[in-house]
Amino acid sequence: QLVLTQSPSASASLGASVKLTCTLSSGHSSYAIAWHHQQPEKGPRYLMKVNSDGSHTKGDGIPDRFSGSSSGAERYLIISSLQSEDEADYYCQTWGTGIQVFGGGTKLTVL
Amino acid sequence: EVQLVESGGGLVQRGGSLRLSCAASGFTFSNFAMSWVRQAPGKGLEWVSAISVGGGNTYYADSVKGRFTISRDNSKNTLYLQMNSLRAEDTAVYYCAKLVVGATYVDYWGQGTLVTVSS
Repeated sequence: QLVLTQSPSASASLGASVKLTCTLSSGHSSYAIAWHHQQPEKGPRYLMKVNSDGSHTKGDGIPDRFSGSSSGAERYLIISSLQSEDEADYYCQTWGTGIQVFGGGTKLTVL
Repeated sequence: EVQLVESGGGLVQRGGSLRLSCAASGFTFSNFAMSWVRQAPGKGLEWVSAISVGGGNTYYADSVKGRFTISRDNSKNTLYLQMNSLRAEDTAVYYCAKLVVGATYVDYWGQGTLVTVSS
């Protein structure tokens, strides 16, 4: 079964960097994923697609502070020079034949 | 600029029906598969349904299969979600989403429309 696992919460200081993790279920380590974020009281926004080789494709207008990487079944979202507006919920998404799957989301707090 | 504008949400009684619409602009609607994703209050994102570019292929989450129907009118650049036999657990903000060519992940989201099912 295709499942994405995310830690429920993360925190980092203003100006620092943070690495969020999305883990693919067993047997699906070659899958690409997409990262989205959702600021408080707003709709989601696409950030980037991250492939199994770590290459990534960002959405329109996404700053260079956001990047992605991969290791095995883990897909990462790295945010550097954290700003207050980065405080949001972060979701990963993947897809199979006729289905889409979202991770449970990580709530990022900027201290 | 890609724009997706949902409408049709509201308050409905358990067992009732509702039809959501999503008006698309800023891209060639007929070239892209589309999807509906929902978010219950205080919860995460849940994929609901997807439809191919021509509408010939439709896909549903198990939680809505047999009750919801996705469709599209490419002449009107509009996506629909017909929701029947609504349950309290269908209460959520429903987002219209554009999918990337050749894949099924979202690259643009609408602002959402709230559906509340009362018991």
